[in-house]
Amino acid sequence: RKEVEQDPGPFNVPEGATVAFNCTYSNSASQSFFWYRQDCRKEPKLLMSVYSSGNEDGRFTAQLNRASQYISLLIRDSKLSDSATYLCVVTMDSSYKLIFGSGTRLLVRP
Amino acid sequence: ETGVTQSPTHLIKTRGQQVTLRCSSQSGHNTVSWYQQALGQGPQFIFQYYREEENGRGNFPPRFSGLQFPNYSSELNVNALELDDSALYLCASSPKAADYGYTFGSGTRLTVV
Repeated sequence: RKEVEQDPGPFNVPEGATVAFNCTYSNSASQSFFWYRQDCRKEPKLLMSVYSSGNEDGRFTAQLNRASQYISLLIRDSKLSDSATYLCVVTMDSSYKLIFGSGTRLLVRP
Repeated sequence: ETGVTQSPTHLIKTRGQQVTLRCSSQSGHNTVSWYQQALGQGPQFIFQYYREEENGRGNFPPRFSGLQFPNYSSELNVNALELDDSALYLCASSPKAADYGYTFGSGTRLTVV
């Protein structure tokens, strides 16, 4: 079983739509959680950290459910520029490495 | 402030050859991590260097090795290249070990034929 699992998509949505991505992680000892964005043939870039209380950054909302080992990302009012692959990332306590999911591809159409 | 730079950007090698990839960390960052990203997959952790010492390693064979220099730049060396080594190799620097404020370079795309 993969440490971090994501639906690969692609999610194909019209501009202005709301879209949600889910991610599950296998190790209950995971400590920190992130969403990264990766454009085609580019490097991953940190989109936002994810906290148990949930957090919002503009049109983006991230949620963490530790009991279910589940992380989500909600994008409201999708823009064409949101088209990218969204990578779910976890870390382990006292570890230094980022554990990536395989990513979910989002395509926003006009 | 310069970001993370990697060289070369693209590389084609033959199976069995050796390759060296280079990374210059962001100014003020003393920790460098290397990741391998195969097509359609997320990046996989190879190893991390902190103050010129290996500070952790992922599930990669010994033919993957690295170095960090006093200026915190780093090299990734891969011996006896295999076709499955074809991937995007990403370098990420952070201000210190176990700090998740990573900055990724744009990567080196290695093709093994």
